[in-house]
Amino acid sequence: GESVGLHLPTLSVQEGDNSIINCAYSNSASDYFIWYKQESGKGPQFIIDIRSNMDKRQGQRVTVLLNKTVKHLSLQIAATQPGDSAVYFCAEIMASGTYKYIFGTGTRLKVLA
Amino acid sequence: EPEVTQTPSHQVTQMGQEVILRCVPISNHLYFYWYRQILGQKVEFLVSFYNNEISEKSEIFDDQFSVERPDGSNFTLKIRSTKLEDSAMYFCASSPMGYNSPLHFGNGTRLTVT
Repeated sequence: GESVGLHLPTLSVQEGDNSIINCAYSNSASDYFIWYKQESGKGPQFIIDIRSNMDKRQGQRVTVLLNKTVKHLSLQIAATQPGDSAVYFCAEIMASGTYKYIFGTGTRLKVLA
Repeated sequence: EPEVTQTPSHQVTQMGQEVILRCVPISNHLYFYWYRQILGQKVEFLVSFYNNEISEKSEIFDDQFSVERPDGSNFTLKIRSTKLEDSAMYFCASSPMGYNSPLHFGNGTRLTVT
C-alpha cells in the first residue's frame, strides 16, 4: 500500500563546510530545473534554476550542476551556514507545453554548529 | 520584494463542508498554480491557470475542486465537500511566464479536515 510519509534523506554538515545535495530527475525530455528550499512552516523558496542547454550555473554561494547523461542534478552550497538548514528539493518541467512542475522527494540539510 | 500571500494560514473544517482557500499572486504574474503537500510527502501539482481558464490539472483535481480568479488580484481554490484525505498544506504559486520560469510560492494554508 501507499506509504503514509516519506523518510527524507538527511545530510548533516559542519558550519562552514560545503554541502552537496543530489537529485535524480525522472524524464530525459525535461529541459528546465529548479532548486527550492523549504523551511519549516513555509512555502518552497526559489534558490536557483538551470536550463538543459547548460551544465553549470552559479549564484550567490550556490552552484547547480546538471548531468543529462545520467539525469542527475546537484546543488552545492558553499560555506554552509545555520540558516541553510531546511529541506531542499529539485523540480523539473516534464516537457514542452506543460506547466506542470514535478517535485522530487527532498533532502533535509542539518547544519551543525 | 513582492510575494504571494495566502489566507487563512490554518483552516479547520468538518468532513463534507466546503472550504475556500485564498491567494493573492504577485501582481504582474500571469500564471497561477495550486500545489498541495500532505504531511511528510512530496509537493504535488493540482492545477495551473492562465488567461482565466485552467491550463492543466492533475488526477487529484477532481470534480470536488475548482479554481477561480474572481477579480484582478485574488485566486481561489474551492473544495466542495472535504474529505479526511484532503488534509494537507495547500500552496499557491505564481510565475511571470508559464514555461521555463520559476514558481513563487506563498507560505501555504494548512487544511485540517476532521
